[in-house]
Amino acid sequence: EAQVTQNPRYLITVTGKKLTVTCSQNMNHEYMSWYRQDPGLGLRQIYYSMNVEVTDKGDVPEGYKVSRKEKRNFPLILESPSPNQTSLYFCASSFGRLGDEQFFGPGTRLTVL
Amino acid sequence: KQEVTQIPAALSVPEGENLVLNCSFTDSAIYNLQWFRQDPGKGLTSLLLIQSSQREQTSGRLNASLDKSSGRSTLYIAASQPGDSATYLCAVSEVPGGGADGLTFGKGTHLIIQP
Repeated sequence: EAQVTQNPRYLITVTGKKLTVTCSQNMNHEYMSWYRQDPGLGLRQIYYSMNVEVTDKGDVPEGYKVSRKEKRNFPLILESPSPNQTSLYFCASSFGRLGDEQFFGPGTRLTVL
Repeated sequence: KQEVTQIPAALSVPEGENLVLNCSFTDSAIYNLQWFRQDPGKGLTSLLLIQSSQREQTSGRLNASLDKSSGRSTLYIAASQPGDSATYLCAVSEVPGGGADGLTFGKGTHLIIQP
């Protein structure tokens, strides 16, 4: 089944404790990205990647890192999480950057205390 | 900077009614527009993708139209059912160089279909 998977689905952590949210897709997509969703603000892009080893900042990259060492995986790294990073996070992928349907993962609900 | 607005923010209608959800965007230089459905606690499910050169797309009881020049799209749901209850999101993909790379989302319309 074609899908985007994220792990963990739920995470409660404390300020400053490094964490990684994994994202994997099995559709051989080149383009992958991370979004966060907050009440009243909607979905905003954090980082994106156009292919292996090619990443760039989205609208709200502060406090996040990403890497793209393999085509299928695009982990989101929070080196020192803070309470304002409490949010619902989505990974998305598509064949190309433009004109293609975006497929979203199930989301990761992160709470930083 | 592109802004996407969805009206209404919330809508509650009896089962069986036909309904229209509205989406507007400020910059007409879009590549495509996508409608998503989001169920509570779940991810986004793509419903319809309209390329900028297209006027509409249909899937089952759903029909989405696009008027790029006026910056508007509508999602028409025919013969609504309780299972259609969800939040519906509209998102646009912009032409490169516009300052954004990913999708720009509206804040959604929360739809409740009363049995």
